[in-house]
Amino acid sequence: DTEVTQTPKHLVMGMTNKKSLKCEQHMGHRAMYWYKQKAKKPPELMFVYSYEKLSINESVPSRFSPECPNSSLLNLHLHALQPEDSALYLCASSSHTSNEQFFGPGTRLTVL
Amino acid sequence: DAKTTQPPSMDCAEGRAANLPCNHSTISGNEYVYWYRQIHSQGPQYIIHGLKNNETNEMASLIITEDRKSSTLILPHATLRDTAVYYCIVRVPIQGAQKLVFGQGTRLTINP
Repeated sequence: DTEVTQTPKHLVMGMTNKKSLKCEQHMGHRAMYWYKQKAKKPPELMFVYSYEKLSINESVPSRFSPECPNSSLLNLHLHALQPEDSALYLCASSSHTSNEQFFGPGTRLTVL
Repeated sequence: DAKTTQPPSMDCAEGRAANLPCNHSTISGNEYVYWYRQIHSQGPQYIIHGLKNNETNEMASLIITEDRKSSTLILPHATLRDTAVYYCIVRVPIQGAQKLVFGQGTRLTINP
């Protein structure tokens, strides 16, 4: 299984809602990542988890809260988002011995 | 972090070689050059990477200049399915994971 899955595929939420994005991989990878991608722009790194511990936070606002409950799962909890947070949110994973990050298909988030 | 510069768009005829240039003049000695591509509405897909030497795999070849300030991705026989955004990336070494710094990307269109 060389797949990273993300749910939901699409999400529409209001500015007062609380929602979560979910990412899962069963490749035994111990590094997992969240990226944000605005339309016609490259992906931008948000968070890196290594061995279930947060190792990088790229100065992301606190309305985005990551969580890595186990080595296969990565969540992104969303609260009080702004319309400018609308974007494609990509999850990726990698092993410590390989050279490749595997990306999921993304969750397209719209904040109204 | 090192930055990459790519042309915003390129065209190539089907069956011909597509040569995509990238400048990374501020790259450090231990930073790798990576190439990923992103087909519309999908997550980025790994193509190839290199440090100093030229590299080839089943998808592409990577030519890195001797001073490492620029590189070229070569798709030897482009097909219509190679139409995508191609990202030249610098991989920054971090403990236990990888930090990918994406360039702005080149939108490659393969024409029949």
